[in-house]
Amino acid sequence: QKEVEQNSGPLSVPEGAIASLNCTYSDRGSQSFFWYRQYSGKSPELIMFIYSNGDKEDGRFTAQLNKASQYVSLLIRDSQPSDSATYLCAVHGQNFVFGPGTRLSVLP
Amino acid sequence: GAVVSQHPSWVICKSGTSVKIECRSLDFQATTMFWYRQFPKQSLMLMATSNEGSKATYEQGVEKDKFLINHASLTLSTLTVTSAHPEDSSFYICSAPRTSGRSLVTDTQYFGPGTRLTVL
Repeated sequence: QKEVEQNSGPLSVPEGAIASLNCTYSDRGSQSFFWYRQYSGKSPELIMFIYSNGDKEDGRFTAQLNKASQYVSLLIRDSQPSDSATYLCAVHGQNFVFGPGTRLSVLP
Repeated sequence: GAVVSQHPSWVICKSGTSVKIECRSLDFQATTMFWYRQFPKQSLMLMATSNEGSKATYEQGVEKDKFLINHASLTLSTLTVTSAHPEDSSFYICSAPRTSGRSLVTDTQYFGPGTRLTVL
């Protein structure tokens, strides 16, 4: 079992819709969780992080964490074509481990 | 603003030559830095963990004699691709954890902008 798993996509959503990106992890001792966005040909940039169970909102982005289910998600409200990118989930437990990323395509 | 820088951002070299890539943490110290490689349309692949004052830790399958890592100071790590070949052409990215100072839980990895290496 891979340590951090994500659907590779592509996930296609229409402009203005909510995009939902999911991530599961295997290390129960993981304490912090991160979402990065990577545009083609660029390095990843941090969107947000979450430590506690529940939701954390930052603008159009909401991270959701459920440690019991070992699941973290990222919701993007009012999706824009500029949100089209690969979204990487990263989990900090014993190591800092990245998922393979989900490619999101927001259609105008 | 950027918290991790890399230099150069783009390099083209001839096969058989060596290329050095620098990764610097700006405004914070990083005892550990990470080096990744990413081929087109593929995910990040961790190559090695750079440790200030000690040897780097390499991931399985990464040749330590080919990818030399030196963590010279608390703000600088270098990756040298020795005797580069066309198959080494890739996007090399470093990252460094920045701590809030409160606890390890609040470490956040920041990435450098990446170095695109093309070996002819």
